[in-house]
Amino acid sequence: DIQMTQSPLSLSASIGDRVTITCRASQHINSYLNWYQQKPGKAPRLLIYEASTLQSGVPSRFSGSGSGTDFTLTLSSLQPEDFATYYCQQSDRTPWTFGQGTKVEIK
Amino acid sequence: VQLQESGPGLVRPSETLSLTCNVSGDSVKSAFNYWSWIRQSPTKGLEWIGYIFYTGTTNYNPSLKSRVTISVDPSKNQFSLKLSSVTAADTAVYYCARVAARLQYYLDSWGQGTLVSVSS
Repeated sequence: DIQMTQSPLSLSASIGDRVTITCRASQHINSYLNWYQQKPGKAPRLLIYEASTLQSGVPSRFSGSGSGTDFTLTLSSLQPEDFATYYCQQSDRTPWTFGQGTKVEIK
Repeated sequence: VQLQESGPGLVRPSETLSLTCNVSGDSVKSAFNYWSWIRQSPTKGLEWIGYIFYTGTTNYNPSLKSRVTISVDPSKNQFSLKLSSVTAADTAVYYCARVAARLQYYLDSWGQGTLVSVSS
């Protein structure tokens, strides 16, 4: 199975901060990397697919980059509704696997 | 599109967990989508269980393959999950989701999730 490793696993930030989350795959996965946001008690929500394509309805302050094994999710200016846990997921080959999650908390 | 999981919230050890996902706003017969089950627990995090295409083609996580069956019922616009011989390790929130199948695959719509506990 392809292992997905996120860092950091948690971070504290303030409103308006720029936040970067990284995701590393144990094998080359081209650009087949997706990002999800999950709030407590809710299902994950797709933010970005194919490493950098913003899902419809997702604010432009979210962006993704990377290919191969190293990927990044960036929030350009953190908003109150962005405090959540973020997961990366590879779909290059089955079994699809997720990262451990990065919890973004209020400083 | 909306997806809604349903099924028992408590299953006895060694029995079979059965869940159904009702789909509205889209057809499970779509040629552009697959339909998937994912679960989430504190110990394992998010774990992909498998997916199905409306033709019946399936793909399962090898770690669960011997115990999993995913089926689809186009007449009811729903798909289902069966997981046999459950143990406490199968306690999790179970989600159904739509898989967009384009250049690659991504889970673009999710149900709200349903907690299934395995206990006697």
